[in-house]
Formats: sequence, C-alpha cells, structure tokens
Amino acid sequence: QKEVEQDPGPLSVPEGAIVSLNCTYSNSAFQYFMWYRQYSRKGPELLMYTYSSGNKEDGRFTAQVDKSSKYISLFIRDSQPSDSATYLCAIGNYGGSQGNLIFGKGTKLSVKP
Amino acid sequence: KAGVTQTPRYLIKTRGQQVTLSCSPISGHRSVSWYQQTPGQGLQFLFEYFSETQRNKGNFPGRFSGRQFSNSRSEMNVSTLELGDSALYLCASSLGSTSGELFFGEGSRLTVL
Repeated sequence: QKEVEQDPGPLSVPEGAIVSLNCTYSNSAFQYFMWYRQYSRKGPELLMYTYSSGNKEDGRFTAQVDKSSKYISLFIRDSQPSDSATYLCAIGNYGGSQGNLIFGKGTKLSVKP
Repeated sequence: KAGVTQTPRYLIKTRGQQVTLSCSPISGHRSVSWYQQTPGQGLQFLFEYFSETQRNKGNFPGRFSGRQFSNSRSEMNVSTLELGDSALYLCASSLGSTSGELFFGEGSRLTVL
C-alpha cells in the first residue's frame, strides 16, 4: 500500500462549481498536511498547510483533515478557469526530515468557462 | 523577495553523460530539498541539505548526489545518465524549522537521449 493515495483524475468541472479533491494516507505518524497547486511547466506552490483535524479556510479554499480516517480533502468554492492546474497533497512528520514530504501523484483539474 | 531559482531550466543529455543542476534558495532559508518528478511516479524525494550537511536521503542510486554550500546554495549531480533519469528536477527551500513548508523553484527539465 502506498503511503499516500490520490485520485489522478482528470477532473473537469464548469466554472462556479464546487470542487472536492481527496487523499488518503496509511501511516498515522504523519502530523502535518499540505496542498500544493502546480500549473503546467511550473513548480508546485503551497496553497494550504494544516496540522490538526478539522477545517481550515482561506478564501475560496478549505482544507479538511480527518486523522481518525487518515483522509484529507481540499474544497474549492466558486471554481474559476484560473484554478485549472494539478493539485498535489503532501504529508509530513515532525519527527522526520522536514524536507522530506510524501506527495500524492496529483489530481489534474480543468475548470471550463 | 526572490523565490527559489533553479538553473538550467532545460537541458538535453545523452546516456552515460553526467549533469549538474543548481539551486539558489530563498534568502534566509537554510534547508534545500531536491525532488524528482515524473508522470509515472510523481514527486519523489531525493535528498535534503541543511547547513551544508545531508539530513536525509531518498531511495535513489548512488549516481544521484548533492551538496550544499555555505551560502545555502545547492547543487545536485547525476552521473552515468540513463534514459529513465529524464524528469523534472525540483528544488525546494525552507527555513529548516519544524513547519515543513517547502517553497519550490520552477524546476530543471532534463531529457536523456
């Protein structure tokens, strides 16, 4: 079993839709969780960072973590064509190397005008 | 504030050659991590350097090596290139604290012929 599983998509939605992106992980030792967005031919950029179960909101983006189920989600409200990108979940462990994150393979999202 | 800078952005090599990639982290960041990104495997951790010392290493052969200089700039080297080394090589910097927030450069795209 891979440490992080992420549905690769692709996912296509109309502009204005609510998007739900999900990852599951296998090791309960992981303690912090991130979502990165990667545009084509660019490096990943950090969108959301959280370390506790529950929801964290930032504008149109909400990150949700359920440690008991080992499940993390990213919700995008009122999706825009500019949100079209690949979204990567990443998890880490305070006891390990901070530079060593475990990434999902990414979900490619396309938002159609 | 300047971001993470990677050079060169694109390069083409042939099998058996070696390559050196360079990374300049965000000013004040002392940790530099390297990742390999391919369509099949996604983002995979290569190694992390902090204050010129390798802090962690991923599961890659010894042909992959790196180093960090006193100004936190880092280089990675791949010797005896193989076709399977074709990938996007991403450098990420962080403060090196426990936060685990990585900031990525745009990557160096290596093609091995």
